[in-house]
Amino acid sequence: AQTVTQSQPEMSVQEAETVTLSCTYDTSESDYYLFWYKQPPSRQMILVIRQEAYKQQNATENRFSVNFQKAAKSFSLKISDSQLGDAAMYFCAYRSVYGGSQGNLIFGKGTKLSVKP
Amino acid sequence: DTGVSQNPRHKITKRGQNVTFRCDPISEHNRLYWYRQTLGQGPEFLTYFQNEAQLEKSRLLSDRFSAERPKGSFSTLEIQRTEQGDSAMYLCASSLKQGFGYTFGSGTRLTVV
Repeated sequence: AQTVTQSQPEMSVQEAETVTLSCTYDTSESDYYLFWYKQPPSRQMILVIRQEAYKQQNATENRFSVNFQKAAKSFSLKISDSQLGDAAMYFCAYRSVYGGSQGNLIFGKGTKLSVKP
Repeated sequence: DTGVSQNPRHKITKRGQNVTFRCDPISEHNRLYWYRQTLGQGPEFLTYFQNEAQLEKSRLLSDRFSAERPKGSFSTLEIQRTEQGDSAMYLCASSLKQGFGYTFGSGTRLTVV
């Protein structure tokens, strides 16, 4: 079974600075998807960025980018020029493309990001 | 279409009562998922539907839980004889079959007292 591990329960960053959130995963599959989701307090979960495992190029969405290391099974999220609105829980998630669980997301426990003004 | 809608937003119930939650997915999305999220944890998969067919259920979904998606549109999640351990946020999400992006609803927060 696949697992997702986020080893940083909490992180803090100064406004306008850069922060990196860590995520590792375990799988025996060669093709899959990886995601970062943001969950602001009392608000719905929003997709931040996604990565297809067969693509070597790291995904980028404006101030958000990932460092995808397939061999190391690592998928970190970098937030540049941090803003107060970035404060939230961030979840790393894995999705298989095979088998009976096709389409189900497997989440890590999350990292709570605080942004200091 | 304004996204995935869940009702109610909050539900407080006494132990032993039955509760039902509703999810209205994005209309063109044929896959619908239910997740449960407890405090300090990531969401855990409960079950999913492709159109009206329930294709998979997690072991977390005890026999007190039942989900339906009549006609492949909205879905309901019912919990019978609620227990305090059922207190959690229940999240619904939808996606296209061939797509890989989920859209989540705002969730229903259940408190069992």
